[in-house]
Amino acid sequence: AQKITQTQPGMFVQEKEAVTLDCTYDTSDPSYGLFWYKQPSSGEMIFLIYQGSYDQQNATEGRYSLNFQKARKSANLVISASQLGDSAMYFCAMRPLRGGATNKLIFGTGTLLAVQP
Amino acid sequence: SQTIHQWPATLVQPVGSPLSLECTVEGTSNPNLYWYRQAAGRGLQLLFYSVGIGQISSEVPQNLSASRPQDRQFILSSKKLLLSDSGFYLCAWSASGRAGPYNEQFFGPGTRLTVL
Repeated sequence: AQKITQTQPGMFVQEKEAVTLDCTYDTSDPSYGLFWYKQPSSGEMIFLIYQGSYDQQNATEGRYSLNFQKARKSANLVISASQLGDSAMYFCAMRPLRGGATNKLIFGTGTLLAVQP
Repeated sequence: SQTIHQWPATLVQPVGSPLSLECTVEGTSNPNLYWYRQAAGRGLQLLFYSVGIGQISSEVPQNLSASRPQDRQFILSSKKLLLSDSGFYLCAWSASGRAGPYNEQFFGPGTRLTVL
């Protein structure tokens, strides 16, 4: 069975500092993709960053980077230089990359990040 | 560019009443479509997905049903709402065909449903 675990229900960070949001996963699929989404209070889900299980390098997108440790089955999101607008719920998600068209995502329970001025 | 619409944005319905939520996608053909539910303070639970017109797969047994009458239209329905149906409903789409390495899902703005 596939599962995503986010153990931090809530996090605080000071503006301009970096913060790491934890994500561990469990899967028997040999190849998979890992995603992070941001959900502001408005409710929309915003795609942030993607990491493939066979990617050699950790993914980066602007201030977002993914600390991917395959042996530990972890895919932590690092946000550098936090901004007040980063306050939101953050979800880690996974899907297998095996053949098939469904592209179903499995989500964690999320981490609520509050950036303090 | 592709856009995804959902309506209504908010809905308050009495227990036992019917439900119809609509999702439409523009700017793409034959997308995979998904309905998720998010309970308050919780993660997203996949309810239904569709890889084509009339093709619906249900992920969890429940009081809801889904239909895809047109290529880019996805409808979530119920004949009689329960209190437990309250939540935030999100529609999403992704490109069709074999899932490529990336192929992220794009989400609509959501519908907040309160059943009283």
